[in-house]
Amino acid sequence: DVKVTQSSRYLVKRTGEKVFLECVQDMDHENMFWYRQDPGLGLRLIYFSYDVKMKEKGDIPEGYSVSREKKERFSLILESASTNQTSMYLCASSPRPGPLNQPQHFGDGTRLSIL
Amino acid sequence: AQTVTQSQPEMSVQEAETVTLSCTYDTSESDYYLFWYKQPPSRQMILVIRQEAYKQQNATENRFSVNFQKAAKSFSLKISDSQLGDAAMYFCYNAGNMLTFGGGTRLMVKP
Repeated sequence: DVKVTQSSRYLVKRTGEKVFLECVQDMDHENMFWYRQDPGLGLRLIYFSYDVKMKEKGDIPEGYSVSREKKERFSLILESASTNQTSMYLCASSPRPGPLNQPQHFGDGTRLSIL
Repeated sequence: AQTVTQSQPEMSVQEAETVTLSCTYDTSESDYYLFWYKQPPSRQMILVIRQEAYKQQNATENRFSVNFQKAAKSFSLKISDSQLGDAAMYFCYNAGNMLTFGGGTRLMVKP
């Protein structure tokens, strides 16, 4: 089974801090994704990556950056955390570089609170 | 722009009954894929069913089936013989050039 592991289930940070959310997948998938999930808004794509050192902006990239130095690891960075970034963050991966017709495999999510 | 709309924020069904969750989408692409995902409370999001837009036949996975109406851009999920374990958030997802999820429908199953 594919396993997508997010480093923390719950995280509390302060405004202005630089925050790192880590995600690791063990199935050699090319595609990796970061979403945020908010009630009533579903999942919104922040960034995705087709390959190592490759990244593409999603729908809501402002205030975020990503890093993919190794194929199995995709990090989401909040450069200067703000309270409106309090949310559930989901990481996902899928095989093949595209088209994106393969189902995504999700991690358990990180519930991030910015105080 | 690509949008996915789930017009039912919450639905309720009696155990063993059938329920249909609606999803409409808007896309200018001719080739795309549609998915339904399930997110049980405090648990991981998992795939329920997938439909390829160029296939006319509706996808079926055991008790789960879709009613795919391409011209109407509608992709509803039917759950037959509902079970308590079906209680979850359900998300409709359009994987075209843009990766777009709907807002979700919370399904409650009454014993």
